[in-house]
Amino acid sequence: ILNVEQSPQSLHVQEGDSTNFTCSFPSSNFYALHWYRWETAKSPEALFVMTLNGDEKKKGRISATLNTKEGYSYLYIKGSQPEDSATYLCAFTGSSNTGKLIFGQGTTLQVKP
Amino acid sequence: DGGITQSPKYLFRKEGQNVTLSCEQNLNHDAMYWYRQDPGQGLRLIYYSQIVNDFQKGDIAEGYSVSREKKESFPLTVTSAQKNPTAFYLCASSRTGTGYNSPLHFGNGTRLTVT
Repeated sequence: ILNVEQSPQSLHVQEGDSTNFTCSFPSSNFYALHWYRWETAKSPEALFVMTLNGDEKKKGRISATLNTKEGYSYLYIKGSQPEDSATYLCAFTGSSNTGKLIFGQGTTLQVKP
Repeated sequence: DGGITQSPKYLFRKEGQNVTLSCEQNLNHDAMYWYRQDPGQGLRLIYYSQIVNDFQKGDIAEGYSVSREKKESFPLTVTSAQKNPTAFYLCASSRTGTGYNSPLHFGNGTRLTVT
C-alpha cells in the first residue's frame, strides 16, 4: 500500500503568523497531488490539484508547491486568520492506480485570535 | 445548488445487522467513492466507481458492498462481516476518475455506531 505522510500532525499559530506544512508521497509513478481543507462540521473542499513538477498554485492567502522528483508538496498560509483553522489533507494518485486517491492523515491547524 | 447528499447524518445499529448508507449526487459526475475515517488516520478508500454498473474495491473493502445502478446514487452496505464498523463514512464524487486530475466533492458524512 502506498504511503502519504503529512507533517506536522497539528499546529497552533497566532493570527497574522504565516505557516507551512508538508506532504510526502512516493516519487515514482506520480500522476497528481490534491490538497483539501476540512473545517469542523463541514465537508472537505478541494484547494488544489497539482500535476506538474515545479507547479505552484495560489488561492488567496494559500499557496502550494510541488516537487515530484523528491516526492513532496508544501502548503503555505500567509497571514493566518482564525477562519483558516481546519484540517488540511493531501492526497496522491499514481499512474499505476488511476481512480484511487491515497490520503495522508492530515495537518490540523488552529489559529488563535 | 448541485452537491452530494449523505443520509442519515447519524446511524445506530446493533452488532450483526447489515446497514445501508445513502449517497446521492446531482453534479452529473461519473465517478463516486466511499471513504472511511477513524481517529488519527487518513481517509481510507472502501470502494469506488468510475462508471455506472461498474465498481472496484479500495484498500479496505472487506465487509462492505456497493452498487451503482444509477449515475446519481452509490449506496454502501456495511455487512455483519465488517469487524469494526463504527466509524465516520464519507461519500465523494468527481467529474471523472481522480486519475484525470478531477478534484473530489464530498458529502457531509454519516457517523455509524454499532453496539
